[in-house]
Amino acid sequence: DAKTTQPPSMDCAEGRAANLPCNHSTISGNEYVYWYRQIHSQGPQYIIHGLKNNETNEMASLIITEDRKSSTLILPHATLRDTAVYYCIVIGAGSARQLTFGSGTQLTVLP
Amino acid sequence: EADIYQTPRYLVIGTGKKITLECSQTMGHDKMYWYQQDPGMELHLIHYSYGVNSTEKGDLSSESTVSRIRTEHFPLTLESARPSHTSQYLCASSTPGTGRYEQYFGPGTRLTVT
Repeated sequence: DAKTTQPPSMDCAEGRAANLPCNHSTISGNEYVYWYRQIHSQGPQYIIHGLKNNETNEMASLIITEDRKSSTLILPHATLRDTAVYYCIVIGAGSARQLTFGSGTQLTVLP
Repeated sequence: EADIYQTPRYLVIGTGKKITLECSQTMGHDKMYWYQQDPGMELHLIHYSYGVNSTEKGDLSSESTVSRIRTEHFPLTLESARPSHTSQYLCASSTPGTGRYEQYFGPGTRLTVT
């Protein structure tokens, strides 16, 4: 599975959009981009995933560049409860049996 | 909201005791996983199961064992707890279908072995 690179930390003002970037320059054609988050001391929570097209659900939007080498997770109106570590994971559609969580981005939403 | 449960949430136990961490899900998922995570560190897969009577060890070596007798139940057992087993243990299950990697995690069990 392709390796991902994320900034270690970001701050965002409450009520503003939080834009979390992820680089995955070695992604291959059948690999998906998944985003999870982990609030302190809790289990990770699935947020969204995509292959080529931009995706939106009730939690967030995922913007994938045309060359698929990077993506951005957007939380449109960040709240204090969105403070968490956000993980970008690239995973193939084949035999992968686990999620490999890297170090992620610590998002802190400020009041 | 995913329905995956872990008990106990917190456990403090002495060295040498046998413990079983419970994990249950009510979603009918075939795939289930156990991860271990130390504070501020990455998650590491220690066991997984693709269905009843199917269990495999993960990438991180662990002295624990698992069983999968029922689809909804995936308990983890430590025969003789040691201080090095102190960690958080997270159970997860995932949706069926090729290419689907949405894993749903339980709240975790924080184990302290004294």
